[in-house]
Amino acid sequence: DIVMTQSPDSLAVSLGERATINCKSSQSVLYNSNNKNYLAWYQQKLGQPPKLLIYWASTRESGVPDRFSGSGSGTDFTLTISSLQAEDVAVYYCQQYYSIPLTFGGGTKVEIK
Amino acid sequence: EVHLLESGGGLVQPGGSLRLSCAASGLTFSSYAMSWVRQAPGKGLEWVSTLSGSATSTYYADSVKGRFTVSRDNFKNTLYLQMNSLRAEDTAIYYCAKDIGSGYYYFDCWGPGTLVTVSS
Repeated sequence: DIVMTQSPDSLAVSLGERATINCKSSQSVLYNSNNKNYLAWYQQKLGQPPKLLIYWASTRESGVPDRFSGSGSGTDFTLTISSLQAEDVAVYYCQQYYSIPLTFGGGTKVEIK
Repeated sequence: EVHLLESGGGLVQPGGSLRLSCAASGLTFSSYAMSWVRQAPGKGLEWVSTLSGSATSTYYADSVKGRFTVSRDNFKNTLYLQMNSLRAEDTAIYYCAKDIGSGYYYFDCWGPGTLVTVSS
């Protein structure tokens, strides 16, 4: 099984500042035949289901604000919120879809400082 | 617009059974694999099961294999999860989620979830 490890567990960022969340996989999720990283990011606000933000490690889902960006390849990935807004308070999860079982990171809680 | 709505959750005793349903609308249901993902109270997300659009391919997490069975009715646009031999650690919100298609198992639409509580 591919283990997904997120860091930090939580972070507090001032409004308008940058938030950076890391996700590391226990083995590469880069599929060489198509050069795609099988990595997605989700946002879950309190009391709501998760919402897809990013897939293929860096492709933003339709309707997601461009302050959200994903980067990385292989085993190390980053979700960046370039200018934190109040509505971005949530828990963020990474997920690998390279292999079954599908696995999620433990989540990173983002709060306002 | 795609909508998913789970039902069937509730309180059940350890060792008991429960059947969850997920009604889908706004999509060609048979074209998409569907999954169940659960979240224990205050915890993270755990993938449970995935069923292909044609119901020919089925996948389970080891934690539920042999106890849970996923199925679908493509005429009723409904996904099911039959849960048997339930344990306290199965207590969670169960979400159904739609994959994006083409066999890539990440999820672009989720239902609001249904709570399953396993307790005596």
